[in-house]
Amino acid sequence: DAGVTQTPRHEVAEKGQTIILKCEPVSGHNDLFWYRQTKIQGLELLSYFRSKSLMEDGGAFKDRFKAEMLNSSFSTLKIQPTEPKDSAVYLCASSRTGSDTQYFGPGTRLLVL
Amino acid sequence: QQKVQQSPESLTVSEGAMASLNCTFSDGTSNNFRWYRQHSAKGLEVLVSIFSDGEKEEGRFTAHLNRANLHVSLHIREPQPSDSAVYLCAVENYNQGKLIFGQGTKLSIKP
Repeated sequence: DAGVTQTPRHEVAEKGQTIILKCEPVSGHNDLFWYRQTKIQGLELLSYFRSKSLMEDGGAFKDRFKAEMLNSSFSTLKIQPTEPKDSAVYLCASSRTGSDTQYFGPGTRLLVL
Repeated sequence: QQKVQQSPESLTVSEGAMASLNCTFSDGTSNNFRWYRQHSAKGLEVLVSIFSDGEKEEGRFTAHLNRANLHVSLHIREPQPSDSAVYLCAVENYNQGKLIFGQGTKLSIKP
């Protein structure tokens, strides 16, 4: 059974660019999560979908971050426009239901110059 | 707002000796507690999930939960160099699905 896949694994962007990160959850999972990981802040939740419906849009991340789930097997995270402070690892996770274990993808390492 | 704190920040243990990691949380009504491990440049791997007070064992990994003390710990029996990684404690409010993570403990196992 395939785990959570994320593409690309690495991304380098210039300040002001638009970047799109992609995630495919585990087949059959209903919940999908986007997290950001930095050394200073640790892991922070960006967005959370349940059965394709947006449950949480990340509060402080709302203005330049937009996550979408067009179908149950694919999600995107758009950052527009990028800023150097967005440099981080972006992790996608999925679970069967809200109280089940979340399984994480390998992450996308983003560097904004 | 749930706050999760882990200690120590880093820990070095000799191969074969028990490794113990700690995690405290601020809201005792949380139901699910999970320990994850992250090797360098890799995703998170779930180790143990615990839902009620007491002990839960998964292979060499044992979690202890004490809600009254707002504390959950992870003990690694007979650690090996391949167990060197960052260990993350995660607290989840029941049925909400959201995980609040601690900052992590960097564990190094000396051969």
